Amino acid sequence: SQQGEEDPQALSIQEGENATMNCSYKTSINNLQWYRQNSGRGLVHLILIRSNEREKHSGRLRVTLDTSKKSSSLLITASRAADTASYFCARINNNDMRFGAGTRLTVKP
Amino acid sequence: DAGVIQSPRHEVTEMGQEVTLRCKPISGHDYLFWYRQTMMRGLELLIYFNNNVPIDDSGMPEDRFSAKMPNASFSTLKIQPSEPRDSAVYFCASSFFGGRGYGYTFGSGTRLTVV
Repeated sequence: SQQGEEDPQALSIQEGENATMNCSYKTSINNLQWYRQNSGRGLVHLILIRSNEREKHSGRLRVTLDTSKKSSSLLITASRAADTASYFCARINNNDMRFGAGTRLTVKP
Repeated sequence: DAGVIQSPRHEVTEMGQEVTLRCKPISGHDYLFWYRQTMMRGLELLIYFNNNVPIDDSGMPEDRFSAKMPNASFSTLKIQPSEPRDSAVYFCASSFFGGRGYGYTFGSGTRLTVV
């Protein structure tokens, strides 16, 4: 991948459970972004966290960033079947945005 | 705004043919990016422009690939000659102020199949 890795590669949970996805990166960043991709569609921006921030919330999403460990996590609370998608983290260094391989999340109704 | 518009949505072509993919970014966005997505290699940044000027084309796989942005509202990615290994989904994305403060908006992609 281009300098960003997500784990797990795949995650299957029941509706109502929380889903946690992790992302690691190798180089310095200005910010880190999370995107969602439904099958056969384009990527949709979910949330951006800057390098000087440690945590950010947006609705049912919570993102953390640990620059000392070069890692981030995305937590989706109270998951729904509609959250089924692939989730990608993207690290941004200046204007260069690189994606990891993504986590495939399946939420079973 | 209608978002980032890509055309065509699907393209099937024979090996050796020229392929042109098109992108209309969001009005007012000053950065435009081309990505390629395959199962094997994931999402790869091919090239990006700032104010219509190519900034980094290090991701362009080889000389068969070229990209232009003649004005702020239009960009093309051309493959000549095309090969089966070019089969992928090609995404265009645009943003304001690069990625430093805002998210990127992606188009729906062009699914290219080279037979």
